[in-house]
Amino acid sequence: QKEVEQDPGPLSVPEGAIVSLNCTYSNSAFQYFMWYRQYSRKGPELLMYTYSSGNKEDGRFTAQVDKSSKYISLFIRDSQPSDSATYLCAMDQGAQKLVFGQGTRLTINP
Amino acid sequence: DTGVSQDPRHKITKRGQNVTFRCDPISEHNRLYWYRQTLGQGPEFLTYFQNEAQLEKSRLLSDRFSAERPKGSFSTLEIQRTEQGDSAMYLCASGRTGTAGNTIYFGEGSWLTVV
Repeated sequence: QKEVEQDPGPLSVPEGAIVSLNCTYSNSAFQYFMWYRQYSRKGPELLMYTYSSGNKEDGRFTAQVDKSSKYISLFIRDSQPSDSATYLCAMDQGAQKLVFGQGTRLTINP
Repeated sequence: DTGVSQDPRHKITKRGQNVTFRCDPISEHNRLYWYRQTLGQGPEFLTYFQNEAQLEKSRLLSDRFSAERPKGSFSTLEIQRTEQGDSAMYLCASGRTGTAGNTIYFGEGSWLTVV
C-alpha cells in the first residue's frame, strides 16, 4: 500500500462547478500538507499548503486537512478552463523530502 | 530568471548510452532534491543534497545512477547504460534548511526518452 493514495481520475466538470480533490495517507507523523498543480510537461507548482489540521483559503481554493481521518482535500470554486491540469497532493516526510500522491487529472469544460 | 533551472529539457537516447542532467537551484538554497516522475504517476524522491553532501538516496536510485553537487551549487544526475525503464521526467527542486516542504521549488524537469 502506498503512503499517499489519490484517485487519478480523470475528472471532467463544467466551467463554474465546484471541484473536490482528495488524498488519504497512512503516516500519522506528517505535519505539512501541500497541493501542487502541474500542467502538461511542466514542473509542479505549489498551490496551497496547510500545517497540521484545519482549513486554509486562498481565493477560489480551499485546502482542508483532517489528521484524525488522515484525509486531505482541495476545493476549487467557480472552476475555470485554466484550472485544467493535474493536481498532486504531497506531504513532507522531513528535511523537505516530499511524498506525492498519483495526481488527479482535471479538465474544466467551457 | 531566479527559479530552478534544468538542462536539457528533453533528451532522446539509445538504450545503453549514458546521459547527464544538470540542475541549477535558486541561489540562496542549500538543499537540492532529485525526483523522478513517470507518466500518470506523482514524482518519486531519488536523492537530496545539503550543500555538497549527499544525505540520502532512495532505493529507486540504482547503481547506474549517480548524483553530484561538487561545490554546493549546481548538481548533475548521471544515468549510465540507460534502459527503457529509465524513460521519465527527472525533476530537480531546491529549498533551505530550517523551512518546511512548503518552501521548496521545482524546476521544469528534464524529459528522458530511451529508445
